[in-house]
Amino acid sequence: EAQVTQNPRYLITVTGKKLTVTCSQNMNHEYMSWYRQDPGLGLRQIYYSMNVEVTDKGDVPEGYKVSRKEKRNFPLILESPSPNQTSLYFCASSLWDDPGKDNEQFFGPGTRLTVL
Amino acid sequence: GDSVTQMEGPVTLSEEAFLTINCTYTATGYPSLFWYVQYPGEGLQLLLKATKADDKGSNKGFEATYRKETTSFHLEKGSVQVSDSAVYFCALSDWTNAGKSTFGDGTTLTVKP
Repeated sequence: EAQVTQNPRYLITVTGKKLTVTCSQNMNHEYMSWYRQDPGLGLRQIYYSMNVEVTDKGDVPEGYKVSRKEKRNFPLILESPSPNQTSLYFCASSLWDDPGKDNEQFFGPGTRLTVL
Repeated sequence: GDSVTQMEGPVTLSEEAFLTINCTYTATGYPSLFWYVQYPGEGLQLLLKATKADDKGSNKGFEATYRKETTSFHLEKGSVQVSDSAVYFCALSDWTNAGKSTFGDGTTLTVKP
């Protein structure tokens, strides 16, 4: 089954304790992206990657890191989480191989993070 | 930069009512436009898309037309069902702004029997 998986689905942690949220896709997609969803703010893009070893900042990259060492994986790293990073996080992937044709995104189920 | 403005919610309708959720955008290039739907406790999934001006996307009775002259992509459905209750997001991806995706704030729709 074609899908985007995220782990963990739920995480409660404390300020300053480094954490990683994993994201994996099995569709051989070039493009992957991380978003956070907050009430009243919609989805905001954190980082995205157009290909292996290529990553770029989205609209809200502060406090986050990513890496793209393999095509299928795109982990999100919070080196020193703070309470304002409490949010619902989504990973997404897209084929993105033809301008305007195949760039719809497939989303993972989400990771609900609480930073105390 | 690119932006998407969606009709504020929440929206509450009775079953079989007509639905319109307004969406307007600003973009410097030639974006593709999307509507995504999020059911409770789930991730977003594509509802429909349009990749160029005057294209109409449609799926599950929902429709939206890419109007370049009014920079709009309004979502419509002629007769909503209780199962359509969800959060709807308008979004754009701009190939000339490679990799950047912009979403609206989302509109919560509740359909009552």
